[in-house]
Amino acid sequence: DTEVTQTPKHLVMGMTNKKSLKCEQHMGHRAMYWYKQKAKKPPELMFVYSYEKLSINESVPSRFSPECPNSSLLNLHLHALQPEDSALYLCASSQEGPPSRNSPLHFGNGTRLTVT
Amino acid sequence: GDSVTQMEGPVTLSEEAFLTINCTYTATGYPSLFWYVQYPGEGLQLLLKATKADDKGSNKGFEATYRKETTSFHLEKGSVQVSDSAVYFCALSDQGTSGSRLTFGEGTQLTVNP
Repeated sequence: DTEVTQTPKHLVMGMTNKKSLKCEQHMGHRAMYWYKQKAKKPPELMFVYSYEKLSINESVPSRFSPECPNSSLLNLHLHALQPEDSALYLCASSQEGPPSRNSPLHFGNGTRLTVT
Repeated sequence: GDSVTQMEGPVTLSEEAFLTINCTYTATGYPSLFWYVQYPGEGLQLLLKATKADDKGSNKGFEATYRKETTSFHLEKGSVQVSDSAVYFCALSDQGTSGSRLTFGEGTQLTVNP
């Protein structure tokens, strides 16, 4: 069982919808991440939160809006997405913030997003 | 910048065969090296790691040695099982000004047939 929980597992949304992805961890980790993974590709980093503050934004379009309400929770708010945004969205956490090179990431099982 | 190159897949083996997946890297600093595995329909799981030269990471019969002289971190297993079928990602983590970030290889799909 993964220690990083993501909901929902699957999401289908239209281009005019607003939806949110949720991620939760109770390992006391201080850094949390959003990744996007297309089929047969490695994950691509989107955002990093360190001690609940946004520390890295990899030039992600504003239709993706992250939020870290507390040290255990991470949300990704979605609005006006495009079909090419369809992908697996992975949340991850790591023990140290700012992230340390020695600290491995713990991934959730992801939300499979389809934009119609 | 940092980069990771993995052997191209897919790789198909029979059960109990020997596995090697090659991984080489380029980094400006002193990275840590990781192998992650992704089973169908799941997220990535850490398989093993090594944080300095000559370290050997091992887990579940898999092992990899951090070779600074050849900038490599090849994954090996002596006898694969059907349950090892998955995608394997080599990755490095180097320290940046905002903390470290992972650089992944392209992934290698492994299929083990009974």
